[in-house]
Amino acid sequence: EPEVTQTPSHQVTQMGQEVILRCVPISNHLYFYWYRQILGQKVEFLVSFYNNEISEKSEIFDDQFSVERPDGSNFTLKIRSTKLEDSAMYFCASTIPTSGSDSKQYFGPGTRLTVT
Amino acid sequence: LAKTTQPISMDSYEGQEVNITCSHNNIATNDYITWYQQFPSQGPRFIIQGYKTKVTNEVASLFIPADRKSSTLSLPRVSLSDTAVYYCLVGPPTGTASKLTFGTGTRLQVTL
Repeated sequence: EPEVTQTPSHQVTQMGQEVILRCVPISNHLYFYWYRQILGQKVEFLVSFYNNEISEKSEIFDDQFSVERPDGSNFTLKIRSTKLEDSAMYFCASTIPTSGSDSKQYFGPGTRLTVT
Repeated sequence: LAKTTQPISMDSYEGQEVNITCSHNNIATNDYITWYQQFPSQGPRFIIQGYKTKVTNEVASLFIPADRKSSTLSLPRVSLSDTAVYYCLVGPPTGTASKLTFGTGTRLQVTL
């Protein structure tokens, strides 16, 4: 089965530093997402991206966050000035819209971000 | 968005069939029911999606009664590796590329 990949698997950073989380979605997919999951809590939607622009974003996705698809394969999430509360697992997902009942979002393995 | 309610946790022995029921009383006419599985420190993984009656794939079955106000995910003969959190999601089919809204899920623990 095709896979979404994410790097790094674990990122430790100091408060106030910028971080970039990287994702390689499945090659023929068109929609891309970032979700996060704080330890012990729900998976939360951050942002969706299509046709090189943001389709939808949540309240969590404030001015400190940005996304980019710098080339044909990578999809990145940047946090400009990290806070302690940004510590979480960040999951990238992708999908290709279909009319089939087995249409689904494919998630990557996640990047664990630890802000100290 | 339709609110879902599912048990916080369930325990099962290996080899048993496990049924996890999800309530979604205010499901909309065009909503689908989708189940995802999440292992510790991994991303959620799609299991199955359905609109009505019964859907079966190689992993699970999904039973949806006529009123669609609930659904049951059935895992046949679970093994230790089925220990995970199972999420019931209700909303537009993922084919429309809508965001996914996760609840707290059901933590299934399978033991020998």
